[in-house]
Amino acid sequence: DADVTQTPRNRITKTGKRIMLECSQTKGHDRMYWYRQDPGLGLRLIYYSFDVKDINKGEISDGYSVSRQAQAKFSLSLESAIPNQTALYFCATSDFLGDNEQFFGPGTRLTVL
Amino acid sequence: KQEVTQIPAALSVPEGENLVLNCSFTDSAIYNLQWFRQDPGKGLTSLLLIQSSQREQTSGRLNASLDKSSGRSTLYIAASQPGDSATYLCAVIMDSNYQLIWGAGTKLIIKP
Repeated sequence: DADVTQTPRNRITKTGKRIMLECSQTKGHDRMYWYRQDPGLGLRLIYYSFDVKDINKGEISDGYSVSRQAQAKFSLSLESAIPNQTALYFCATSDFLGDNEQFFGPGTRLTVL
Repeated sequence: KQEVTQIPAALSVPEGENLVLNCSFTDSAIYNLQWFRQDPGKGLTSLLLIQSSQREQTSGRLNASLDKSSGRSTLYIAASQPGDSATYLCAVIMDSNYQLIWGAGTKLIIKP
């Protein structure tokens, strides 16, 4: 089984709808991250969490919110989806000990019409 | 503000050749640097991580080097194979906030 899982893998929705993307991990890591990837661009950090009670905004947090329900679960919400939020979304985890190597889920492809 | 650049954006080479992918960054205060591989429709796979105090890391046919002072890293792939075809991304973690800053990637095609 994959260490970092994301659901759904693909989602098509309409402008104005509320969407939640979920991430679960079995690596036992404290740190979790949400990124988005647009064609031709590198990944950009949306939110990150260093533990259940620690949530931080990343580079592009506007229009997004997150919830860290447990050490193993980190969800990303789009309260009112807009077309320019169409992208590939990745969840990642890392351990606060050691070199902070990040491990990624398979991604969620979101299309907002 | 840290900026990470990968040149070229795309590269096509015949099978069996050795090749080098380049990554440059503008701020040398990095904690470490990671190289990833991304296959279409799949997630990101970590290939190599180099600590800021290290000069290189090796894994099989892959060798990554780091020169902090010049803001450069290279990923060397020996004896390339069609299965190496993918997009390769580099990312740096900054000392200040432990966040990954990404390059846009190099799309590599190995021709049989």
